This record gives sequence, C-alpha cells and structure tokens, in this order.
Amino acid sequence: EAGVAQSPRYKIIEKRQSVAFWCNPISGHATLYWYQQILGQGPKLLIQFQNNGVVDDSQLPKDRFSAERLKGVDSTLKIQPAKLEDSAVYLCASSLGQGKTQYFGPGTRLLVL
Amino acid sequence: DAKTTQPPSMDCAEGRAANLPCNHSTISGNEYVYWYRQIHSQGPQYIIHGLKNNETNEMASLIITEDRKSSTLILPHATLRDTAVYYCIVRVDPRAGGTSYGKLTFGQGTILTVHP
Repeated sequence: EAGVAQSPRYKIIEKRQSVAFWCNPISGHATLYWYQQILGQGPKLLIQFQNNGVVDDSQLPKDRFSAERLKGVDSTLKIQPAKLEDSAVYLCASSLGQGKTQYFGPGTRLLVL
Repeated sequence: DAKTTQPPSMDCAEGRAANLPCNHSTISGNEYVYWYRQIHSQGPQYIIHGLKNNETNEMASLIITEDRKSSTLILPHATLRDTAVYYCIVRVDPRAGGTSYGKLTFGQGTILTVHP
C-alpha cells in the first residue's frame, strides 16, 4: 500500500514570496491533516479536513496560510507571503476517519531567507 | 487534552530492552495513550496505543498503570534503527463528543539513542 506522498521535499524561498505544498493521502482516507514542525519541536496541527470540509483550523495563521482539499483527495497548503518564522517542516498525514490512526508523509522542508 | 511528561533523552544498548516512561497524571477516562516515533528526516510513525489494558504488537509493548496516570513503552530488543524521537500523546476519543476531533498534540518527546 502506498503511503502519504508529499512534494516538493525541499523548498528555499525569500521572505514575502509565496509557496505551495502538495499532499496525496493514502487511498480511501477521508481525513487529512497538515502539521508544522519547527526545528527541535514536535509537530503542531495547522488544519484538519474531513473529506473536502474543514473540521479544525484553529491554529492556522489565516492571514497568510490557506489550504484546500477540493475533491476530497489531494490537498494543497499555501503560504502567502512567507515570513522567516515559517521556516519549518510541513507534514501531511491521513487517516481512515477522525480518531483513527494517522499516517504521516515524509514532509516538505521549507527555508525562508 | 491532557498533557504528558517525558524525559528529554535516554540511552540504550543494542539488543537490550528500551523502556520509555511517560507521565499523564491528568488523563481523563475517554483519553487514549498513543505512541509515535520520528526517525531523523522522516515523518512520525505510529507505534501503538491503548486505553487501560496493556497492549502488544510487532513493534512494541505498552504498559499502562492501573490508575492510568503513567505508561511505559517497551522496545524488547532495541536496534540501531530504533534511534529516534519518541512521542507519548494523550488523545481524546472523538466518539466521546466535544470539539477536539481526536487531534494529536505532540510534546517535545524523548530522544532515544541506541548504542552498539
């Protein structure tokens, strides 16, 4: 069974630029999550989707971050404009449903200069 | 969600059992104990979870105290590939209702280093 796929794996941008990350969850998984992991810390949930609807975006900085999962499968996380403090690993995870085991992708490492 | 306390780091000799402790003294009756680990440059990997009974799978064993205020993850025969950050997480069962949606809240975890 294929795991969670993410791209790109690495991205370097300058502050105030825009960036987008893509995630393809495990087939059949209804719930999709985006996490931000700053160096030396545990992952922090940014947003959770159930199919194509948002169920929790309480920790998403909505002035600059946006995410969508239009067809209930793939998802895109965007940052516009990026700040230096956005440098982190962005992890995507999926699960069969809410409360089920989450499976993580390899993450996208973002460096904002 | 209840918070957890873990030692920042531990060492273990290869081939020996690694016992990773976790305190969760404010855990509620509808909260599970989950363990994930994160190997360098990879995403977190699910290990095991339990409510109140001890659990075992092909990766590890989870021992939860009778009062549920602490637990221990046991890797019976640690290998070099088990070197990772281990996260103990208390997670609300979303079937219990409320607004937490069964979210995972990661702490700092325990850095386990397995030595040859």
